[in-house]
Amino acid sequence: RKEVEQDPGPFNVPEGATVAFNCTYSNSASQSFFWYRQDCRKEPKLLMSVYSSGNEDGRFTAQLNRASQYISLLIRDSKLSDSATYLCVVNEATDSWGKLQFGAGTQVVVTP
Amino acid sequence: DTGVSQNPRHKITKRGQNVTFRCDPISEHNRLYWYRQTLGQGPEFLTYFQNEAQLEKSRLLSDRFSAERPKGSFSTLEIQRTEQGDSAMYLCASSFPGAPAGNTIYFGEGSWLTVV
Repeated sequence: RKEVEQDPGPFNVPEGATVAFNCTYSNSASQSFFWYRQDCRKEPKLLMSVYSSGNEDGRFTAQLNRASQYISLLIRDSKLSDSATYLCVVNEATDSWGKLQFGAGTQVVVTP
Repeated sequence: DTGVSQNPRHKITKRGQNVTFRCDPISEHNRLYWYRQTLGQGPEFLTYFQNEAQLEKSRLLSDRFSAERPKGSFSTLEIQRTEQGDSAMYLCASSFPGAPAGNTIYFGEGSWLTVV
């Protein structure tokens, strides 16, 4: 079983619509959580951190449910430029900063 | 450009050959990481350095793989006797300690390896 699991998609989303997807993680001791965005054949880039109380960054909302061990990302008012693969990322260790566990990614395709 | 720099960006090699990738981290970052990403998967942790010390190695890093960071600045990742399964993007990242990972780690653009 993978430590971080995501629905690979693709999620085909009309421009302006809302899309949401989750990931689950297996290690209940995981310390910190993030969503990264990755464009085709590019490096991953941090989209946002995920906090226990939930947090927003513009059109993006992230939620963390520690009891059920899942993280969600919601994108409102989708733009064509939101088309990308969204990677769920978990940091399990307290002393190995940067040793991140990545999910395989959820592909989002925003259509005109 | 003051970001993480990786060279070469693309490498095609024949099976059995050795290849070496170089990573130049952001200058004030003393932690450096290598990840590997195959098609359809997320990046997988390989190893990391704090200054010149290699502090952790994944079991993915077989004995054909070796990473060094001799002066605590740039790093090299060498793959000996390449196999087709080594075809992947090799990502280097850097950060400084003292802050939560994930939001203070910066990736380079990656080095693509194709083994034919």
